Amino acid sequence: QQPVQSPQAVILREGEDAVINCSSSKALYSVHWYRQKHGEAPVFLMILLKGGEQKGHDKISASFNEKKQQSSLYLTASQLSYSGTYFCGTEPIQGAQKLVFGQGTRLTINP
Amino acid sequence: DSGVTQTPKHLITATGQRVTLRCSPRSGDLSVYWYQQSLDQGLQFLIQYYNGEERAKGNILERFSAQQFPDLHSELNLSSLELGDSALYFCASSVDPDGQPQHFGDGTRLSIL
Repeated sequence: QQPVQSPQAVILREGEDAVINCSSSKALYSVHWYRQKHGEAPVFLMILLKGGEQKGHDKISASFNEKKQQSSLYLTASQLSYSGTYFCGTEPIQGAQKLVFGQGTRLTINP
Repeated sequence: DSGVTQTPKHLITATGQRVTLRCSPRSGDLSVYWYQQSLDQGLQFLIQYYNGEERAKGNILERFSAQQFPDLHSELNLSSLELGDSALYFCASSVDPDGQPQHFGDGTRLSIL
């Protein structure tokens, strides 16, 4: 079942913050976050496996709620390089062996 | 550079034809995934191989097939091509299939005329 991402699109000024949500109707084994720039391949950002987990690097972080049905990606003090489409990919159960991607959130950062 | 190599970068062909897309995974990765990305369907999982064996199937049409060879490279074969098959086809690889990040190649853009 495809996860639901929100919002569909965000336009920010450089330095502003953004939150992108990814929701599933059922508990998940894991959530992956990827960023794709136009015409390029998706690039892995991070993976969350544990309920209640939070992780991040630089100014991009993510959380996975206790029920493992929702994840949020946080981009703080956004930079121009953060522009792109963000996808969450979900593994429904361990051993399901495939990711189901959300429809993506297009993030535009303006100077 | 993800370390995943896909060839060719672009393919232009006609309806009814057959094409083969090739993928070499990152060194050390045993699992290969194929995805189709189109404007209206987003990123759709097609099929996964792990160490030469098929491990998972997604929304892959019967006209499409894939295999992973002993050297771990993979090929995706698309036959009886239709206009709707025009899309970007990505290959990704991971060390193993469970809860591991996937690293994507640059994709093959397939255009059906």
